[in-house]
Amino acid sequence: GENVEQHPSTLSVQEGDSAVIKCTYSDSASNYFPWYKQELGKGPQLIIDIRSNVGEKKDQRIAVTLNKTAKHFSLHITETQPEDSAVYFCAASKGQGGKLIFGQGTELSVKP
Amino acid sequence: GAVVSQHPSWVICKSGTSVKIECRSLDFQATTMFWYRQFPKQSLMLMATSNEGSKATYEQGVEKDKFLINHASLTLSTLTVTSAHPEDSSFYICSASRLAGGFDEQYFGPGTRLTVT
Repeated sequence: GENVEQHPSTLSVQEGDSAVIKCTYSDSASNYFPWYKQELGKGPQLIIDIRSNVGEKKDQRIAVTLNKTAKHFSLHITETQPEDSAVYFCAASKGQGGKLIFGQGTELSVKP
Repeated sequence: GAVVSQHPSWVICKSGTSVKIECRSLDFQATTMFWYRQFPKQSLMLMATSNEGSKATYEQGVEKDKFLINHASLTLSTLTVTSAHPEDSSFYICSASRLAGGFDEQYFGPGTRLTVT
């Protein structure tokens, strides 16, 4: 069935360093790839997404890349800050009407 | 824009009672609403997909008679946990999808912490 693998499960970086989280999806029909940030005790917050017709998207310190051939997509956070500490989830869906298939999550810790 | 609210944010109930959780999209009409369950340090587990005016579609293994979903309007869906037991204690999160550029963007509520004693 559909599956999304996310790595690493935990990531610790120093403030100011970059953080990269990688996901692999199994269903080649997937065409929408959102990333969510979840702080403790809160619901996930959509931080960036990418559609299959785009290879890269950037929003300030956050960027996402997509390799459809390899079925990989990644989240890049530059100049990390302590407030970036949270659990990040990648997801994949087949677009309109499709349910999200989530990765296992990455707990990011940014040390001041 | 794209704000989703949930009520209550937390609830404690006794075993055998029922609990209703509301999910509202505040500033948009949702094409679809979803209900998830999340255990500590785990990913989100989809329970059911709900469209206004039609029966919810439940994921495999989710008891539809235990987790009743009503989708009364394009901005409101409710989840009722019937005859709750301690094993139903969990973090329940709803999401609402908004069509944007041909894709459904899902926006999540803040979650409801249910504790069954």
